[in-house]
Amino acid sequence: GAVVSQHPSRVICKSGTSVKIECRSLDFQATTMFWYRQFPKQSLMLMATSNEGSKATYEQGVEKDKFLINHASLTLSTLTVTSAHPEDSSFYICSARSHTYEQYFGPGTRLTVT
Amino acid sequence: AQSVTQPDIHITVSEGASLELRCNYSYGATPYLFWYVQSPGQGLQLLLKYFSGDTLVQGIKGFEAEFKRSQSSFNLRKPSVHWSDAAEYFCAVGNTGTASKLTFGTGTRLQVTL
Repeated sequence: GAVVSQHPSRVICKSGTSVKIECRSLDFQATTMFWYRQFPKQSLMLMATSNEGSKATYEQGVEKDKFLINHASLTLSTLTVTSAHPEDSSFYICSARSHTYEQYFGPGTRLTVT
Repeated sequence: AQSVTQPDIHITVSEGASLELRCNYSYGATPYLFWYVQSPGQGLQLLLKYFSGDTLVQGIKGFEAEFKRSQSSFNLRKPSVHWSDAAEYFCAVGNTGTASKLTFGTGTRLQVTL
């Protein structure tokens, strides 16, 4: 089956620094990837849609200057959390959409900002 | 706007017992419907999906779900639960055409007693 990886799986950073999270589709090409945020014991909230070769589309309320998304190739999308603050601590999950419109999810990245 | 309701926040069943997790959706047209499972600290795994055709869909791990348009429901079932099924289950609806934007329910946490 389709596999999506995320790196790192866990990261701790200091307030004010930036953190980059990578999302890769390992065995298929994904023109569209998605970034979600999940708070403890809550559902996934879509943050943005990442399209290869074009600008990401952000959901209402998501700061595009804070959460920078780059989808430079058909197998890689990155999310950079800039000037991170403790309230940005969360579980970030990416997904990649296959040509059959299914979304395959990565294992997630746990971000802790101290 | 599309939405998903999972009325049961937490369900406990005995191993070997049958299971039904409820999901109700709101969508203007025929929806794309999904069930995902998430183990603690992990990403989401697709259990099954409904796009069209037979309203009873079979998934992995012995799960099935039935699409009932008249009830706007897509309940997940399993005839005999295993201890390893303990996890968080999310129902999701995707917009037709590309199923790009998934809207997730709040999830149902399944606990299995031995």
